Amino acid sequence: NAGVTQTPKFRILKIGQSMTLQCTQDMNHNYMYWYRQDPGMGLKLIYYSVGAGITDKGEVPNGYNVSRSTTEDFPLRLELAAPSQTSVYFCAAQGKSTGELFFGEGSRLTVL
Amino acid sequence: QQQVKQSPQSLIVQKGGISIINCAYENTAFDYFPWYQQFPGKGPALLIAIRPDVSEKKEGRFTISFNKSAKQFSLHIMDSQPGDSATYFCASWMDSSYKLIFGSGTRLLVRP
Repeated sequence: NAGVTQTPKFRILKIGQSMTLQCTQDMNHNYMYWYRQDPGMGLKLIYYSVGAGITDKGEVPNGYNVSRSTTEDFPLRLELAAPSQTSVYFCAAQGKSTGELFFGEGSRLTVL
Repeated sequence: QQQVKQSPQSLIVQKGGISIINCAYENTAFDYFPWYQQFPGKGPALLIAIRPDVSEKKEGRFTISFNKSAKQFSLHIMDSQPGDSATYFCASWMDSSYKLIFGSGTRLLVRP
């Protein structure tokens, strides 16, 4: 039982490049989240989803897009990478009955 | 933007001492208040949570105290150990949504 799996773990992008951070969960949880964590800072919500086909913006959605075609997968796309998007990105899945969020190990992104 | 205010930003405690971290929220969609613990290089993990049908919940050395009228809750770590050195986050659900918003975090260092 892997829980929440994120790929890649590390990535360096050039300004203007695009990429997708992958997130998959094997817990059959309906709710999924993407957060970013800047060095020494808290977690900021980017996007979230309450089920397949349903997504909504969080606190800091600009520059990102998401999709949720299946319960298991919740990819995060950066279209035109900017230095301000240098951060660690965490994906999480939540079981409705307990409210607990299960986080992945994170994806460290650097934009140069 | 609804906020979750957490204090202090950092905390240094001697081994065996008591660590206290405070959190204040504005409004919440759900009566469920968690504390998450994060070690360097890892994703956050649920430490303890409270549903405010009670004012206090204890799990081992960790206690949550909740004050609904003041919209505040706190984490107490008794007999703090060097292994407790980590960053701690409180969180609250944004009003009328499934957005879980985190505080800015408290970096705890327990000295031997």
